[in-house]
Amino acid sequence: SQQGEEDPQALSIQEGENATMNCSYKTSINNLQWYRQNSGRGLVHLILIRSNEREKHSGRLRVTLDTSKKSSSLLITASRAADTASYFCATEFNNYGQNFVFGPGTRLSVLP
Amino acid sequence: NAGVTQTPKFQVLKTGQSMTLQCAQDMNHEYMSWYRQDPGMGLRLIHYSVGAGITDQGEVPNGYNVSRSTTEDFPLRLLSAAPSQTSVYFCASSYAGAEQFFGPGTRLTVL
Repeated sequence: SQQGEEDPQALSIQEGENATMNCSYKTSINNLQWYRQNSGRGLVHLILIRSNEREKHSGRLRVTLDTSKKSSSLLITASRAADTASYFCATEFNNYGQNFVFGPGTRLSVLP
Repeated sequence: NAGVTQTPKFQVLKTGQSMTLQCAQDMNHEYMSWYRQDPGMGLRLIHYSVGAGITDQGEVPNGYNVSRSTTEDFPLRLLSAAPSQTSVYFCASSYAGAEQFFGPGTRLTVL
């Protein structure tokens, strides 16, 4: 399987702390994307990082990509209760057409 | 723009029944996909399409059919529902190599 795997499976932090989630994958990719899912809702795109990029920022989010280790990390700084959600990485690997593989996700709980 | 819309939001079927889950997008995206999400798990790709008239299988295609007659619509058909198909189904669309936009999901229960 070429599935991405997030780590940890669950993370609980206090408001104001930083949260770091990791994603590992198995094959070469075109890009890697991070998504957020609030309970019972659809997924919302956070950041896309291409295979030739090493780091991207968007507001309080910082994503890194290490293609030699086949891994990515998502850092959320100064977390808020509203950041409580599940976070998924999705890899688009070298294949014809669109074919994304999602990991099982990290469940983040930010306590007030 | 309405984005990606899915109907119905909820559905209960009996084993052996068939039904169609509807998905539509108004962003002129070439790519559309169907995923299922089981409790505590990530999304698994069922079928996808790279344009009108072109579809392909994903990771878990058995028991499902799709067609793409227009750019906007990508219906998912359950041929003969089974309890193992109880899940939440998400439709997504995107441009090539870009972020996916997801619909709100259809929660399906098969008794």
